[in-house]
Amino acid sequence: AAGVIQSPRHLIKEKRETATLKCYPIPRHDTVYWYQQGPGQDPQFLISFYEKMQSDKGSIPDRFSAQQFSDYHSELNMSSLELGDSALYFCASSSGTPVQYFGAGTRLSVL
Amino acid sequence: GIQVEQSPPDLILQEGANSTLRCNFSDSVNNLQWFHQNPWGQLINLFYIPSGTKQNGRLSATTVATERYSLLYISSSQTTDSGVYFCAVEGGSEKLVFGKGTKLTVNP
Repeated sequence: AAGVIQSPRHLIKEKRETATLKCYPIPRHDTVYWYQQGPGQDPQFLISFYEKMQSDKGSIPDRFSAQQFSDYHSELNMSSLELGDSALYFCASSSGTPVQYFGAGTRLSVL
Repeated sequence: GIQVEQSPPDLILQEGANSTLRCNFSDSVNNLQWFHQNPWGQLINLFYIPSGTKQNGRLSATTVATERYSLLYISSSQTTDSGVYFCAVEGGSEKLVFGKGTKLTVNP
């Protein structure tokens, strides 16, 4: 069965650079969620989209933005990267049920 | 917001032992999921269990919604069971709120 696809799997950036993370949900899933997991921490909700509209927002920095496109894939854009942005970024998707299916994550390292 | 507490925070077992992980939550929930995060960081769905009992091989889970807790049972543990087990709940908004996790180490 198809799963949630995230790219890239690993990303290394310098401080003050920008990064774009991509998420391709399970086919026919209309809701996408983004979570951030810092080292040794639990995942924290950032933002979600339903049918291409933002549906909920968590503690997402103003330097971050996200959107969901017409094909339901989503992108998380991060600008002016800081050392503290180094984390695992997960995308999850769902459709009509509360169950969220997670991708393998993107590991971002900011040097 | 909803609070999620997991216990114990750390657990060390010998291969073949059984274990019980607990998740307490502070309010009624529409969704409760158990995840296993493996050493490579992947979050693996184990159970969607807002109430009742489910079993999948050596793993089973029970959620008593009226008492606001869930239990994850691991029987005959194997070294590949090592990792962090997270309980996550959704209570009213769509987002999942995760507990701090239980770090399980299974020694050969």
